[in-house]
Amino acid sequence: DGGITQSPKYLFRKEGQNVTLSCEQNLNHDAMYWYRQDPGQGLRLIYYSQIVNDFQKGDIAEGYSVSREKKESFPLTVTSAQKNPTAFYLCASSGVNNYGYTFGSGTRLTVV
Amino acid sequence: GENVEQHPSTLSVQEGDSAVIKCTYSDSASNYFPWYKQELGKRPQLIIDIRSNVGEKKDQRIAVTLNKTAKHFSLHITETQPEDSAVYFCAASDGGSNYKLTFGKGTLLTVNP
Repeated sequence: DGGITQSPKYLFRKEGQNVTLSCEQNLNHDAMYWYRQDPGQGLRLIYYSQIVNDFQKGDIAEGYSVSREKKESFPLTVTSAQKNPTAFYLCASSGVNNYGYTFGSGTRLTVV
Repeated sequence: GENVEQHPSTLSVQEGDSAVIKCTYSDSASNYFPWYKQELGKRPQLIIDIRSNVGEKKDQRIAVTLNKTAKHFSLHITETQPEDSAVYFCAASDGGSNYKLTFGKGTLLTVNP
């Protein structure tokens, strides 16, 4: 999967549940990102992390949380506070001084 | 923060014609401008990028131009083929030491055989 793996590919969430999306990379990239993709909206930044144990909110962080305990891993939790979580979620990573992103294959989250 | 506008939102061309997608950005400190191609149900893939110290870059049938004064950049695809059909996203980096990208809303390109 090009060095960055997202799981699961499809995820169904009931109302009021928290769910966690996994993102793992073996590219030795320092920076990792979570984007949300909705039809006609492009890619909107949720959270990003440039180093281990540090992360910053993006443009649409409300209702989401992240952690960065290891360089390789950047899991995203979609909490019950996120009112419209149905979307395609993309994780990406990039190396220092190399702005090009490598994307994971995405997780499609649906609220049932 | 950075704001990226992308036009058109949809573009339909005949096979063999050229296609042009345009983007504008707001942060004059932005210095990196990549273009991504996303086929249906797949991840975005980097197809070409340009840095602010260069005005034009070409890779076979794909070229990108950058006008820093006007804060706009464009993707040019020549001799289009049906396999070029996809959604294309432009992006701009934040200025400074931050590597995060702000994306345009995408252009759905359809190449008709």
